[in-house]
Amino acid sequence: AQSVAQPEDQVNVAEGNPLTVKCTYSVSGNPYLFWYVQYPNRGLQFLLKYITGDNLVKGSYGFEAEFNKSQTSFHLKKPSALVSDSALYFCAVRVTGTASKLTFGTGTRLQVTL
Amino acid sequence: NAGVTQTPKFRVLKTGQSMTLLCAQDMNHEYMYWYRQDPGMGLRLIHYSVGEGTTAKGEVPDGYNVSRLKKQNFLLGLESAAPSQTSVYFCASRVAGTRNSPLHFGNGTRLTVT
Repeated sequence: AQSVAQPEDQVNVAEGNPLTVKCTYSVSGNPYLFWYVQYPNRGLQFLLKYITGDNLVKGSYGFEAEFNKSQTSFHLKKPSALVSDSALYFCAVRVTGTASKLTFGTGTRLQVTL
Repeated sequence: NAGVTQTPKFRVLKTGQSMTLLCAQDMNHEYMYWYRQDPGMGLRLIHYSVGEGTTAKGEVPDGYNVSRLKKQNFLLGLESAAPSQTSVYFCASRVAGTRNSPLHFGNGTRLTVT
């Protein structure tokens, strides 16, 4: 069965510093990987996705993610964090052949402080 | 363009009562989903639909029913609410034809069952 793990419940970063939010996955086929962000009292918003090709994927709001097949990881990164990046971040995986099912991680709360 | 609209935004039910959550999307998306979000558990798929008149069970379907009579609407029903169904419910939709299309989420319905 497919699954994703987000090992950190919360990540604290000072504004201007680089940030990393970790995600590892487990699937039996080729993975499609996604990152979503959730602001308070809102639904999830799509940030970026990995399908095939380049291992470094660029997305919205200056975020990027690095796909590492050998480590089965898809970490979210940003070179310089902003206070407005503070939110809940979810990693998700969809396996080829199961087009209708997306499995989410438990989420990581990012807190960026001045 | 409203996107995905969920009604109501908040609801309090007593154990044993019934209710229906409505999801409407104006993007002509074929696929629609109902998720629940609970602290520390991420999002879990309740039911989904790949087209008008068709529905399927997700990870946690027990205690819920759904209907997709019109392409733009996806209803989630609780026939006899239980405290374990206290949660935030999110509807999402996406276009069919490509497995990597992102989900578009509504802003959620916060349900409390006492």
